[in-house]
Amino acid sequence: QKEVEQDPGPLSVPEGAIVSLNCTYSNSAFQYFMWYRQYSRKGPELLMYTYSSGNKEDGRFTAQVDKSSKYISLFIRDSQPSDSATYLCAMSLSPSGNTPLVFGKGTRLSVIA
Amino acid sequence: DAGVTQSPTHLIKTRGQQVTLRCSPKSGHDTVSWYQQALGQGPQFIFQYYEEEERQRGNFPDRFSGHQFPNYSSELNVNALLLGDSALYLCASSLAGLATNEKLFFGSGTQLSVL
Repeated sequence: QKEVEQDPGPLSVPEGAIVSLNCTYSNSAFQYFMWYRQYSRKGPELLMYTYSSGNKEDGRFTAQVDKSSKYISLFIRDSQPSDSATYLCAMSLSPSGNTPLVFGKGTRLSVIA
Repeated sequence: DAGVTQSPTHLIKTRGQQVTLRCSPKSGHDTVSWYQQALGQGPQFIFQYYEEEERQRGNFPDRFSGHQFPNYSSELNVNALLLGDSALYLCASSLAGLATNEKLFFGSGTQLSVL
């Protein structure tokens, strides 16, 4: 079993839809949770980060963490064609910038106009 | 302010050869981490350099080695290339100490193809 599981998709939705992306993890020691967006042939860019169970909202994006279930989610409201990218969940044992990140496989999302 | 820059952007090598990839961290950053991203996979941590020393290492063989220079730039070297080394190699920089992972910045990567 991999430490972080993420459905690779692909996921295709119409413009304006609500998108739900999910990851599960097996290591209960993970404390810090992130979502990255990666466009083709580019490096990942950080979208959201959180270190506690519950919801965190930033514009059209909401990150949700349920540590008891070892499950994290990213919701995208009013999805746009520009949201088409691969979304990677990532986790670490501490918030220190020197702590390696453990990534999921990524979910490829296409938003159709 | 330049972000993390990597060179070259693309590289083609044959099995058994050696390759060197380069990374310049974001201005003000002193820590460089390297990740390997195979096609259809998430990035995997290779190693991290701080104060010109390898501080942490992931589950990669000794064929993967690195170096950090006094100006904080870094190199990743891979010897005896295998077909399975074909991947996007990502460099990420951060500032040690109080930094959190939210301050980790990735470059656009070097796409390595081994034939």
